Amino acid sequence: AQSVTQLGSHVSVSEGALVLLRCNYSSSVPPYLFWYVQYPNQGLQLLLKYTTGATLVKGINGFEAEFKKSETSFHLTKPSAHMSDAAEYFCAVSGSGTYKYIFGTGTRLKVLA
Amino acid sequence: DVKVTQSSRYLVKRTGEKVFLECVQDMDHENMFWYRQDPGLGLRLIYFSYDVKMKEKGDIPEGYSVSREKKERFSLILESASTNQTSMYLCASSRTAGGIYEQYFGPGTRLTVT
Repeated sequence: AQSVTQLGSHVSVSEGALVLLRCNYSSSVPPYLFWYVQYPNQGLQLLLKYTTGATLVKGINGFEAEFKKSETSFHLTKPSAHMSDAAEYFCAVSGSGTYKYIFGTGTRLKVLA
Repeated sequence: DVKVTQSSRYLVKRTGEKVFLECVQDMDHENMFWYRQDPGLGLRLIYFSYDVKMKEKGDIPEGYSVSREKKERFSLILESASTNQTSMYLCASSRTAGGIYEQYFGPGTRLTVT
């Protein structure tokens, strides 16, 4: 079985500050991990993903995430927040041999001027 | 540019009506999915299809059915709409070979049942 927990349904940061959005997962098989972003009234768009190989993955818009197996985490970071980063972010997990993707409940990021 | 389109962005229906939500993808993807999105609950899988005419129930299939007659098109049907089906509905597609590939999402249909 797989599950995803996103800590913090709402996160506020100042413009220019570090963004850290937390994601922990559980999986009985090697996980594939994804971060998606959803802007208002739009569908989800892939930010980045981890499947195998390098544990630090870089995505679009300056975001990156690190897969830490020992901590079962895949936290999303960005060194300097921009107003345009305000959106909802979803972490998701899947695994080899499964068609299903399990999503977290989302974290809404607010960027303060 | 890859694209998943949904037939309506906003839809208002009455209780008891039959509702069709359509989704089309142009990426020749094998897998297609229907989710509903509710505040605080994230995305919950209603149905997915891994091939034409093939489907599997997701986590919340009650009150819904689906149809996939062509590879590019995946329809969600609410046989008799109820107010608790008021939600945002998202369609997605992905390549085959398990969950290693990311999903591509449509813009969503916000359905209100009155």
